[in-house]
This record gives sequence, C-alpha cells and structure tokens, in this order.
Amino acid sequence: TQLLEQSPQFLSIQEGENLTVYCNSSSVFSSLQWYRQEPGEGPVLLVTVVTGGEVKKLKRLTFQFGDARKDSSLHITAAQPGDTGLYLCAGGGKAAGNKLTFGGGTRVLVKP
Amino acid sequence: DTGVSQNPRHKITKRGQNVTFRCDPISEHNRLYWYRQTLGQGPEFLTYFQNEAQLEKSRLLSDRFSAERPKGSFSTLEIQRTEQGDSAMYLCASSWGLAGVEQYFGPGTRLTVT
Repeated sequence: TQLLEQSPQFLSIQEGENLTVYCNSSSVFSSLQWYRQEPGEGPVLLVTVVTGGEVKKLKRLTFQFGDARKDSSLHITAAQPGDTGLYLCAGGGKAAGNKLTFGGGTRVLVKP
Repeated sequence: DTGVSQNPRHKITKRGQNVTFRCDPISEHNRLYWYRQTLGQGPEFLTYFQNEAQLEKSRLLSDRFSAERPKGSFSTLEIQRTEQGDSAMYLCASSWGLAGVEQYFGPGTRLTVT
C-alpha cells in the first residue's frame, strides 16, 4: 500500500511570512499533484510534477519533486490571507493503478 | 462552465435509506473517479471508470455501494441501507487519457446520515 504523509498538519502564520509544506512517501510515484481545497468544496488542482528533481513555480508558490520521486514540497513566499486553505498532495500515475493516493493534508491559516 | 458538476451538493438521510449521487464529468474526459473524504482527512479512492467500463474498485466499496457510468458519460453512485459511517463528502473527478495523471474534481456531495 502506498502512503503519503504530509507535514505539518496545521500551520498558522502572519501575512507576509513564508511557509513550506512537505509530502513524503516510502514509495515511488509516477507523478505528484498538489491541490488546494476550501471548506465544503472539491480540491482544485494547483500543479502536477512528473520528473525527479523538477521545480515548478506558480506566482508565489514553488513546487519541488524529489530526485527519487518519493517526496515533494510546496513553498509559499509572502503568504496572503487568500492562501488560506487545505493543501493536499496526491501521488498517482499508471504504476499506481490510475487512482490518486492522497496525503492527510496541511491546513494553512494566513492571518492578516 | 465546463467543469465537473455533482448533484445534489448536500444530502441528509435517515439510516437505512438509499441515496444516489450524480456526477457529470468534463465532456471530453474518458476517465471518471469517485473518492470519499471524511472530516480532517484526504480523499480516499473508491472506484473509477474508463468510458463505461468500471476498471477498479477499492476495498472501501462495500456491497452496499454501486456505481455506474452508462454510455460513458455521467456516473451515479448509489448507497443502499445507509449507515452513520457513510457520512462523508463524496467527490467525483475526471481526467483524459490513459494515465489519468491530472484529475479535476467536482464540488462534492456532502452526505449526512442521521
């Protein structure tokens, strides 16, 4: 069974601070996605990484896929209240039977 | 808007009743997935379809659960004889291609069993 662990589970910071969320597994994934979820809504896809060592940037968000494709991180620079939400990493791809395996999520609260 | 849609958004039912949820995927997507999410947890895979064929079912999908995708378009998820433990958010996602790498989620159906 492939498992993804996210840390920390909860993060509370002030507006303008930086934060990093980690996603770790003992298994190799063909791809890894990051989603953000608002209360009562479905997850919204932020980024997909597929190559070991890959780094992708989306405005103030930087995503990195580990060289061995077992871990990933999400870094937010100068966080804003609009970044508040539940951040989920999910591993998938053909090797995982086409289904996504999700981490438990990191709840981020950015206070103004 | 051509995103994934789900109906109803909320469902409250009494224990023992049957419920059915509907998911309409993005029109050109051939793969459709169902997940369940309980409070404070990440979504867990239930089942998926490629076109009209149901290709995989999770152990979480007991005999009381059944899913269909007639004609490879919309899908329904039925839960028979609901139990309080079925209370959760039921999420539908769709994707295009063989790998299903990028999945796009609907807003979910929140089920409460009283």
